[in-house]
Amino acid sequence: GAVVSQHPSRVICKSGTSVKIECRSLDFQATTMFWYRQFPKQSLMLMATSNEGSKATYEQGVEKDKFLINHASLTLSTLTVTSAHPEDSSFYICSAMNGGGASYEQYFGPGTRLTVT
Amino acid sequence: EDKVVQSPLSLVVHEGDTVTLNCSYEVTNFRSLLWYKQEKKAPTFLFMLTSSGIEKKSGRLSSILDKKELFSILNITATQTGDSAVYLCAQADYGQNFVFGPGTRLSVLP
Repeated sequence: GAVVSQHPSRVICKSGTSVKIECRSLDFQATTMFWYRQFPKQSLMLMATSNEGSKATYEQGVEKDKFLINHASLTLSTLTVTSAHPEDSSFYICSAMNGGGASYEQYFGPGTRLTVT
Repeated sequence: EDKVVQSPLSLVVHEGDTVTLNCSYEVTNFRSLLWYKQEKKAPTFLFMLTSSGIEKKSGRLSSILDKKELFSILNITATQTGDSAVYLCAQADYGQNFVFGPGTRLSVLP
């Protein structure tokens, strides 16, 4: 099956610093990647949809200047949390859709747990 | 606004029981409904349903979609402690928009 990796799996940073999270599709080309945020015991909240070579589409209420998304290649998307604050602490999950997209099946990465102190 | 509702939100059963998880949706431009299992990390894919009345099965899990009544169910027979997880359903439309439900937290006791 399709594999999506995320790096790092866990990161602790100080308030005011920036953190970059990478999402890679390892054995397929992902024209579309999604970034989700999940708070404890809550469902996934879509933050943005990222299409290769174009600007990401952000969901309402998500600050695009704070959560920078770059989808520079068909196998890599990055999410940078800029000037992180404790309220940004969360579980961030990416998912990728196969280049054909016909199946609309998302393959999820393992997630990145961000803790901002 | 598209909305996906799941019920129950939490469920506690004993090993060997059969459970039915419900998912209803109110979406326009519906394309498919997906079920995921989430344990301690990211969700893992279970089923994708696009057609009404066609049951999909994988071992002790099965799911079916009713596009007329706008709901889907996920059945788990002969539950095991390893089935304890949050089960998420999500709908996808033709615009590649995904909306997740709140999830059902299933606890299977030995």
